[in-house]
Amino acid sequence: AQKVTQAQTEISVVEKEDVTLDCVYETRDTTYYLFWYKQPPSGELVFLIRRNSFDEQNEISGRYSWNFQKSTSSFNFTITASQVVDSAVYFCALSERGAGANSKLTFGKGITLSVRP
Amino acid sequence: DVKVTQSSRYLVKRTGEKVFLECVQDMDHENMFWYRQDPGLGLRLIYFSYDVKMKEKGDIPEGYSVSREKKERFSLILESASTNQTSMYLCASSEGQVYNSPLHFGNGTRLTVT
Repeated sequence: AQKVTQAQTEISVVEKEDVTLDCVYETRDTTYYLFWYKQPPSGELVFLIRRNSFDEQNEISGRYSWNFQKSTSSFNFTITASQVVDSAVYFCALSERGAGANSKLTFGKGITLSVRP
Repeated sequence: DVKVTQSSRYLVKRTGEKVFLECVQDMDHENMFWYRQDPGLGLRLIYFSYDVKMKEKGDIPEGYSVSREKKERFSLILESASTNQTSMYLCASSEGQVYNSPLHFGNGTRLTVT
């Protein structure tokens, strides 16, 4: 069975600090996708990034970067020079192709990030 | 931008009432989903639909049903609301397969059952 573990439940940092959100996954499939979503206080989850299991290149988007390592089954998310607007709950998710018309998407329990001014 | 609209932001209902949560998306997406979000439990899938009138159970379908009569609208029905259904309900849609398609979420409906 697939599983996503976000061991950190709450993180608090001061503005301009760098922060890394950890995500560890378990799957028996060789083909799968990983996602990160952000849920600000307004409540709407927003898609941040998707990575497939064959693409281990790290990705950088502005202050955000993602480190995908199949060897450790991890897909960690780093925010550089954090800002108050980064305060949110962040979810990591894993999807595998299912037997039927659609596959199963599993979310981690989320990490609450608080950035203090 | 994809817009997923949930009809109510907050709802308060009494135990035993029949409750309808409505969700509309404007991007002609095939797939629509209902999740509930609870502290410490993350997001759990209740039902999803991959086409009009088609539905599949998710991880926690008990006590819920769904309706998808039109492609853009996906309704979640609590046949007889109970206090353990007090939660945040999130609707989402996606294009193509769940396997590799990002989900687009609505703002959520916070339901309280008293």
